[in-house]
Amino acid sequence: QLVLTQSPSASASLGASVKLTCTLTSGHSSYAIAWHQQQPEKGPRFLMRLNSDGSHNKGDGIPDRFSGSSSGAERFLTISSLQSEDEADYYCQTWDTGIPLFGGGTKLTVL
Amino acid sequence: EVQLVQSGSEVKKPGESLKISCKGSGYPFTTNWIAWVRQMPGKGLEWVGTIYPADSDTRYSPSFQGQVTISADKSISTAYLQWSSLKASDTAIYYCVRGIIPCLDYWGQGTLVTVSS
Repeated sequence: QLVLTQSPSASASLGASVKLTCTLTSGHSSYAIAWHQQQPEKGPRFLMRLNSDGSHNKGDGIPDRFSGSSSGAERFLTISSLQSEDEADYYCQTWDTGIPLFGGGTKLTVL
Repeated sequence: EVQLVQSGSEVKKPGESLKISCKGSGYPFTTNWIAWVRQMPGKGLEWVGTIYPADSDTRYSPSFQGQVTISADKSISTAYLQWSSLKASDTAIYYCVRGIIPCLDYWGQGTLVTVSS
């Protein structure tokens, strides 16, 4: 059974970079995922599709500061030049046997 | 421009029925799945169910099977989520979102459902 695992929290300083991780269960390392951002008191927003080879396609208006990469069963979201508005919850998501699945989310704090 | 526009907030009493809507525009409505996602206060995103508007093929999360009904009217590019008998535990924000496998890419603005006596 496919499960997406994310660390509950992360923090980084204003202007720095941070790398968030989403891990797929064993046997699902070929799966593409999506990353979504949810700022406080707002709805989720699609950031990008991230493939197993690390290629990614970003959603409308997503800044160049957001990028994705992959290694085995791990999918990464890197945010560079952190800004205050990047403080948000980040969810990974994929689709398996006809249904969408979400990771538990990572709460990013910008110090 | 792809848009999903949801119906407005609702306040209901336990036992009442409710149907909320999600209207798509800017793309061929029948060619993509529409998923419904619940977010309870302070919690993460939970998949409720999905529908393929072209043929109304519908899937439900086991947690929501029998508790809600998802439908779509492709003639007006609108999907629906409905309850026949609301419970206080249904209080949440419900989002519709377009599915282009494996991603969910365009989100509605959310509908706040409050169930309280």
